[in-house]
Amino acid sequence: QQPVQSPQAVILREGEDAVINCSSSKALYSVHWYRQKHGEAPVFLMILLKGGEQKGHEKISASFNEKKQQSSLYLTASQLSYSGTYFCGTEISWEETSGSRLTFGEGTQLTVNP
Amino acid sequence: NAGVTQTPKFRVLKTGQSMTLLCAQDMNHEYMYWYRQDPGMGLRLIHYSVGEGTTAKGEVPDGYNVSRLKKQNFLLGLESAAPSQTSVYFCASSYRAVYRKLFFGSGTQLSVL
Repeated sequence: QQPVQSPQAVILREGEDAVINCSSSKALYSVHWYRQKHGEAPVFLMILLKGGEQKGHEKISASFNEKKQQSSLYLTASQLSYSGTYFCGTEISWEETSGSRLTFGEGTQLTVNP
Repeated sequence: NAGVTQTPKFRVLKTGQSMTLLCAQDMNHEYMYWYRQDPGMGLRLIHYSVGEGTTAKGEVPDGYNVSRLKKQNFLLGLESAAPSQTSVYFCASSYRAVYRKLFFGSGTQLSVL
C-alpha cells in the first residue's frame, strides 16, 4: 500500500528548514528516501531500517518511528540545489532471496528560492 | 562505467501495437526493477527481479510482461499498448543487500495514441 507524504508541496527561502513526512498504515521494515529533479531520474538519499538509528548528513537527515509507522526527512539551512521532488519508499518486509516490493509515495515538491 | 542504460528514450505507439523496453546495467547488480511514473502518482512498481531467470509482480503488473534472461538485462514488454500506459518508465537496479541503493536509468517517455 502506497505511503502518504505530507506536505504535497513546500516553498522555502534559501537558508530555511523543512520537514517532509511519510506515513504508512502498515508496520514497516524500512523507509527509503529519494530526490528527483525535473526531467531527471530519482537519486538515492538514505535508507532507514527498523531498529536503526537516525541517518543522514549534517544538513539532510531522517528519522524512523517504528511505532507510528512514520518517517521524517529534515532539510536544514536549505540550499538552491535542494529543490526537487522528494519521495519516500517503504517496504513491509525484506528477504535476500525473495526481494521486496518497495512502494513509493506520491512525492513532495520542494522549491527553494534565493 | 555506464550504470543503468534504458533504450529507447522516447517512443510513440498506436493503440494495440507492441514494444519492448530494454534496461541494461553494468554494475553486476542482482536486483532489477521496472517503475512507471505518472503525474501526481509517484513511482509505481510494475515488475521486479531478484536474479537471472526470476521475475515477480509489483503493484501494477497488468498489461506488462518482463524477462531476465541475462543478469545485466531486464526487458519490459507491452503486448497490446493502451492509452492508459502512456507514462515515463524507469528501470532501476541494486545489490542484493538490506542496505541497498537503487540506481535509476534516465527513463523512457512512452506515449500511446
